[in-house]
Amino acid sequence: GAVVSQHPSWVICKSGTSVKIECRSLDFQATTMFWYRQFPKQSLMLMATSNEGSKATYEQGVEKDKFLINHASLTLSTLTVTSAHPEDSSFYICSAREDRDRVYTETQYFGPGTRLLVL
Amino acid sequence: AQSVTQLDSHVSVSEGTPVLLRCNYSSSYSPSLFWYVQHPNKGLQLLLKYTSAATLVKGINGFEAEFKKSETSFHLTKPSAHMSDAAEYFCVVPRPLSGGYNKLIFGAGTRLAVHP
Repeated sequence: GAVVSQHPSWVICKSGTSVKIECRSLDFQATTMFWYRQFPKQSLMLMATSNEGSKATYEQGVEKDKFLINHASLTLSTLTVTSAHPEDSSFYICSAREDRDRVYTETQYFGPGTRLLVL
Repeated sequence: AQSVTQLDSHVSVSEGTPVLLRCNYSSSYSPSLFWYVQHPNKGLQLLLKYTSAATLVKGINGFEAEFKKSETSFHLTKPSAHMSDAAEYFCVVPRPLSGGYNKLIFGAGTRLAVHP
């Protein structure tokens, strides 16, 4: 089946530093990937949609200069949390849809998540 | 606009008893619907999806869900709970976007606890 990986699985950093999270589709092409944020015991919140070769589309209220997204290839999207602060501590999850899927029946495959702790 | 409401934030069952996790949807047309499961500190795994074919959908790990248009419901069931079923469950409806893909709209989630 379709597999999405994330790296790292967890990261601890100091306030003010930047952190890059990678999301890879391992066995399929994904022109479109998605980045979510999940606070403890809450649902997932879509942050942005990442499209290969073009600018990401950010959800309302998400700072694009804070959360930089790069989708450089059909299997890799990266999320960089710039100048991280403790309030950025969260669980970040990516997902990807297979390019060959039709919109109506498509499935999004989720990565295992990255837990970020900013001290 | 599409939305889903999960009616219970927590459900607790005994091992071996049936599981019922409730989800109602709102949509101006007959939507696709999904159930995802999330185990602690893990990503999401697709349990099953409805895409306007059979209204009774069978998924992995013995779960199934029935799409009922008249009740706008898509409840998730399992005849006999197992300890390993303890997790967070999300009912999800896709919202088509102009870019040719879907934005997933998540319910608030239902935390399932299974007791020995």
